Amino acid sequence: AQKVTQAQTEISVVEKEDVTLDCVYETRDTTYYLFWYKQPPSGELVFLIRRNSFDEQNEISGRYSWNFQKSTSSFNFTITASQVVDSAVYFCALSEADDYKLSFGAGTTVTVRA
Amino acid sequence: EADIYQTPRYLVIGTGKKITLECSQTMGHDKMYWYQQDPGMELHLIHYSYGVNSTEKGDLSSESTVSRIRTEHFPLTLESARPSHTSQYLCASSDLERHQETQYFGPGTRLLVL
Repeated sequence: AQKVTQAQTEISVVEKEDVTLDCVYETRDTTYYLFWYKQPPSGELVFLIRRNSFDEQNEISGRYSWNFQKSTSSFNFTITASQVVDSAVYFCALSEADDYKLSFGAGTTVTVRA
Repeated sequence: EADIYQTPRYLVIGTGKKITLECSQTMGHDKMYWYQQDPGMELHLIHYSYGVNSTEKGDLSSESTVSRIRTEHFPLTLESARPSHTSQYLCASSDLERHQETQYFGPGTRLLVL
């Protein structure tokens, strides 16, 4: 069985503040993939990043960064200098190597106030 | 960037009506998926297909049915809509990219059954 936990239901920040979204996962597989998706108010899911279990290197893409730590089964996501356009629901998801299906966390709603 | 389309975007319909939600992708992806998402909640997989003439039920039981007669098309049908079917339905597709799978999502269909 696999499980993804996003303990933060909602986060509200003022523009230019940093915000970190937590994601903790459970899996018995040694090979698995972790994802982050963004869902703006319009409803579609936008792919942000994929990370495989063998690559613990942290990644930075513009104002976005991800911290993957296998020791704590966490894959946290930080938005630096947040902007109003970052307001959305962010989902963490997991898939195992031989199973292409995704298991999603409950999502974290981020509200950035001007 | 993914080319996956869903129609209609919004649908309001009466109880007992038969409806079909359309999903098409132009990327030639083998795998396609349907998720159900209640407002502000996590996504639940209800159907998936790994190729033409292959369909499987997902983790969440659903009264809907799907078909996969063509690679690019994966419609979802409800024979008799009920208020409990009110939800957002998201379609996704995936294929191997650089030895890894990433699911790309359509814009979703928001269904309201009166």
